[in-house]
Amino acid sequence: QKEVEQNSGPLSVPEGAIASLNCTYSDRVSQSFFWYRQYSGKSPELIMSIYSNGDKEDGRFTAQLNKASQYVSLLIRDSQPSDSATYLCAVNTPGYSTLTFGKGTMLLVSP
Amino acid sequence: DVKVTQSSRYLVKRTGEKVFLECVQDMDHENMFWYRQDPGLGLRLIYFSYDVKMKEKGDIPEGYSVSREKKERFSLILESASTNQTSMYLCASRTPSRKAGSSYEQYFGPGTRLTVT
Repeated sequence: QKEVEQNSGPLSVPEGAIASLNCTYSDRVSQSFFWYRQYSGKSPELIMSIYSNGDKEDGRFTAQLNKASQYVSLLIRDSQPSDSATYLCAVNTPGYSTLTFGKGTMLLVSP
Repeated sequence: DVKVTQSSRYLVKRTGEKVFLECVQDMDHENMFWYRQDPGLGLRLIYFSYDVKMKEKGDIPEGYSVSREKKERFSLILESASTNQTSMYLCASRTPSRKAGSSYEQYFGPGTRLTVT
């Protein structure tokens, strides 16, 4: 059974710090990886996708993928209180029609 | 930008009622999905569809059915609403795998918070 694991948190960081969110997945052949941000009471919003090993940067966000370790992470630089949300990791595995989601990590950024 | 819309943000229904949740996407996506999300349980897939009139059961299809008569529209039906179906319902659609650079990117609608009393 495919699994995506995330620490539920909350992860608390001060404003301006780097927040590091981590995700591991069980199926070695997984190929596509996604990070969603979900504010309380709202729907998930896609913020990053990554398909190759290494880093992918978009503004204050950096996604990191290590397929050998089956590990994907999201770094948020210069964290802001508005980044406080739950971050969901999702994985696509060939042969499966649906994404597998982790349960999310809650991030709290304090002013 | 992809846009996925859902017919209602909030809905209150009585036990035993038949409930229709509508979802529309404007990006000509083939794949569409219905999830429910409950505290501590994460996202759970109810049904998905990969083409018009095609549907597949997800992890928790019991008590639900779906309809996809047009490519842009995917409906979730609660045949006889029960209190344990009180939840946030999320519709999503997904880019096809052949689209380079954005394979399998999945976009969610705003959600419908359903309360069954």
